[in-house]
Amino acid sequence: GQNIDQPTEMTATEGAIVQINCTYQTSGFNGLFWYQQHAGEAPTFLSYNVLDGLEEKGRFSSFLSRSKGYSYLLLKELQMKDSASYLCAVSGYGQNFVFGPGTRLSVLP
Amino acid sequence: ETGVTQTPRHLVMGMTNKKSLKCEQHLGHNAMYWYKQSAKKPLELMFVYNFKEQTENNSVPSRFSPECPNSSHLFLHLHTLQPEDSALYLCASSQPRGLAGSYEQYFGPGTRLTVT
Repeated sequence: GQNIDQPTEMTATEGAIVQINCTYQTSGFNGLFWYQQHAGEAPTFLSYNVLDGLEEKGRFSSFLSRSKGYSYLLLKELQMKDSASYLCAVSGYGQNFVFGPGTRLSVLP
Repeated sequence: ETGVTQTPRHLVMGMTNKKSLKCEQHLGHNAMYWYKQSAKKPLELMFVYNFKEQTENNSVPSRFSPECPNSSHLFLHLHTLQPEDSALYLCASSQPRGLAGSYEQYFGPGTRLTVT
């Protein structure tokens, strides 16, 4: 079967660092994506990992361990506008995508 | 127009109606997708079209019928829907990464569907 797990909700303070974890079990693996979705809006792409290791992009970094079926998204210097849902998605065979349930992050002043 | 557009943005329909959702992408991508997003559930992939050919149908009921006349346009034809089909329907596009997966997806704003 295919399964992706993420924490349902997280809370952090403005200016802090937060790590959102994602574990997955999927048939086929062609990369892991992180998306941000603000309430009432469409998801927008944040990062992509296909090889083990850390990918850094400004305040956002994403890590992948294929052997452990594990990824995390690291958000630094949190801002109020970072309050959103963060979706972990795995690309399987072809163009098949499986999304996790999303983690709702609340950034408090 | 840029990116991915969807019409209508909101739709209310009775269970006996027939309606269609439209998606258009202006990004030159060759893969297009329909997703269903319900409250408190993960984003569910419904259909995938790769170079106009349907490559994925994730056990979607036949009351949902997709159509992809070209790589830029995607339709979802709806008929005899049920109240539990009420959800946000998102269209996305991406560029296939050869035979191995895809580059990132770009999503449209979605159609909020209510079935009464």
